[in-house]
Amino acid sequence: GAVVSQHPSRVICKSGTSVKIECRSLDFQATTMFWYRQFPKQSLMLMATSNEGSKATYEQGVEKDKFLINHASLTLSTLTVTSAHPEDSSFYICSAPLSRDYNEQFFGPGTRLTVL
Amino acid sequence: AQSVTQPDIHITVSEGASLELRCNYSYGATPYLFWYVQSPGQGLQLLLKYFSGDTLVQGIKGFEAEFKRSQSSFNLRKPSVHWSDAAEYFCAVVPLIQGAQKLVFGQGTRLTINP
Repeated sequence: GAVVSQHPSRVICKSGTSVKIECRSLDFQATTMFWYRQFPKQSLMLMATSNEGSKATYEQGVEKDKFLINHASLTLSTLTVTSAHPEDSSFYICSAPLSRDYNEQFFGPGTRLTVL
Repeated sequence: AQSVTQPDIHITVSEGASLELRCNYSYGATPYLFWYVQSPGQGLQLLLKYFSGDTLVQGIKGFEAEFKRSQSSFNLRKPSVHWSDAAEYFCAVVPLIQGAQKLVFGQGTRLTINP
């Protein structure tokens, strides 16, 4: 199957700093990527849809100025958590579909963010 | 409200026993249906999917799922579990709504295997 990578796998930062998470499709091109957030012992919640060459689409309740998404190329999307606070500590997961019909997505291994 | 429900938060079974994880959905039209497994430290892995056709779907690792339209269910089964099956299992759907081709996840079921 297709491979999606994320970097870093875990990051610890101080409150008020910004953190960038990368999501890459390694063996296919992805015009769309999805970003999810997963709190401990909870399900995945879709945060936003990253679109190559255009603005991301955010889900209701997600602050677009706090979670900056840039889909710079057909294989790379980045999520930047700006001015991070302890409540932003979570597991962030990206996914990418192989085709435009979104029927199957491939998931990255996730990034564990801890904000002190 | 439209939703995906996994009624069991945590299930414990003995190694070698059979397993059934429940999933119900509430959408007007039958969505695309998926089961994913998440092991500690690993990404989500697709076990199986249903789009149309045969309602009994075979997946990887010996898992299968049966789509029942009358019950709006897509339960996951395995005849004999192995200790390595201990993980978190998520049912997910892609609702067939114009412009809303996004995965919606159930709450997850944590599976513990007793030796």
